[in-house]
Amino acid sequence: QSALTQPASVSGSPGQSITISCTGTSSDVGGYNYVSWYQQHPGKAPKLMIYEVSNRPSGVSNRFSGSKSGNTASLTISGLQAEDEADYYCSSYTSSSTDVVFGGGTKLTVL
Amino acid sequence: EVQLVESGGGLVQPGRSLRLSCTASGFTFGDYAMSWFRQAPGKGLEWVGFIRSKAYGGTTEYAASVKGRFTISRDDSKSIAYLQMNSLKTEDTAVYYCTRAIGVVPAAGADYWGQGTLVTVSS
Repeated sequence: QSALTQPASVSGSPGQSITISCTGTSSDVGGYNYVSWYQQHPGKAPKLMIYEVSNRPSGVSNRFSGSKSGNTASLTISGLQAEDEADYYCSSYTSSSTDVVFGGGTKLTVL
Repeated sequence: EVQLVESGGGLVQPGRSLRLSCTASGFTFGDYAMSWFRQAPGKGLEWVGFIRSKAYGGTTEYAASVKGRFTISRDDSKSIAYLQMNSLKTEDTAVYYCTRAIGVVPAAGADYWGQGTLVTVSS
């Protein structure tokens, strides 16, 4: 069982917006601004999409945005495109014995 | 262009050791912290460990699941990071990824990833 809770799957049509949630506790998501989001296509290495809650690395589309409220972080993808179909993972700093915890991943399907 | 290339994966028996290497290019290796992650077949991502740059002491951090068994080191003169894995268990079977860290703490994020190398622990 993963430390952070993500929905197993979400879906949306091209052009729509979707949001993926990542719920933790005050010991991880809620207590620190070290939340990252990764995109992973099948058979490929993960790609960083968001770091420190809401920052986009250079080269990542501005259709991807991150936010946090309390113990829940969110990744929003606007203007869905076919190439956005992938698995998405959130991660956070944690004050527990392991420095970094992940969510179980969310499979995004573009209908 | 930033590139990270892992090598050294393969089949190993439980209890044995294996050392992975990560050869970096396209950036000043010594200026960056490096992290290792892994992904068991069909499973999610797991952080393994982290090594800071020499400017921040070159110190390391490890996940609880590997602490005491795995060691990360770096050779800045060769732009290589290493992951020494001892006392391997079947549950260590995974694709191991080398990454460049964004900041000086493991959870800040990893902005470049290698293609991964598969480690299979089985008798």
